[in-house]
Amino acid sequence: DQQVKQNSPSLSVQEGRISILNCDYTNSMFDYFLWYKKYPAEGPTFLISISSIKDKNEDGRFTVFLNKSAKHLSLHIVPSQPGDSAVYFCAAMNRDDKIIFGKGTRLHILP
Amino acid sequence: EPEVTQTPSHQVTQMGQEVILRCVPISNHLYFYWYRQILGQKVEFLVSFYNNEISEKSEIFDDQFSVERPDGSNFTLKIRSTKLEDSAMYFCASSVGPRQPQHFGDGTRLSIL
Repeated sequence: DQQVKQNSPSLSVQEGRISILNCDYTNSMFDYFLWYKKYPAEGPTFLISISSIKDKNEDGRFTVFLNKSAKHLSLHIVPSQPGDSAVYFCAAMNRDDKIIFGKGTRLHILP
Repeated sequence: EPEVTQTPSHQVTQMGQEVILRCVPISNHLYFYWYRQILGQKVEFLVSFYNNEISEKSEIFDDQFSVERPDGSNFTLKIRSTKLEDSAMYFCASSVGPRQPQHFGDGTRLSIL
């Protein structure tokens, strides 16, 4: 059951450049989307969210874009920093209160 | 910054034994959740809890599982008779309200022997 798909298991980006993490979803009932970051041996840490009534939300270096017609969202990190190296989970909710997670993308920031 | 705390960080239990995983949610949060992540797989929703009642549960959350808020601070997940396939990371989460960002603890690694 792959309602939230992150097709890139890993991504490497030079420090200072933009990191773009992509996510697709299949359930048109999803109306709230979140990105979480996870370091080894820690729990997921909430980064940023977006409601389906918006197409962009920005918080500091992090911006999430939502394209509802394509059922696609992306997380932009600019500029990328060494501490951004982690696994990033795309996640979604519909009318109920449970989060559906993607499999994650491991981001490596290269010096 | 307030955080969700989970104990123990690692629990090793014999198959068939009962296990209780403990969580202290963020103090002003009213909604509580358990998720699990089997090694190599996605983080999966187990159960949500509000006002001393289960709000929703997944297919995974069968009769072997139960949750409780025994006092004003703890939120527990009990597995009555553990199976090998219960081995996973179990994450507790809490939020201020429904459909708000959920904040996760660092998890309990449960190993069933």
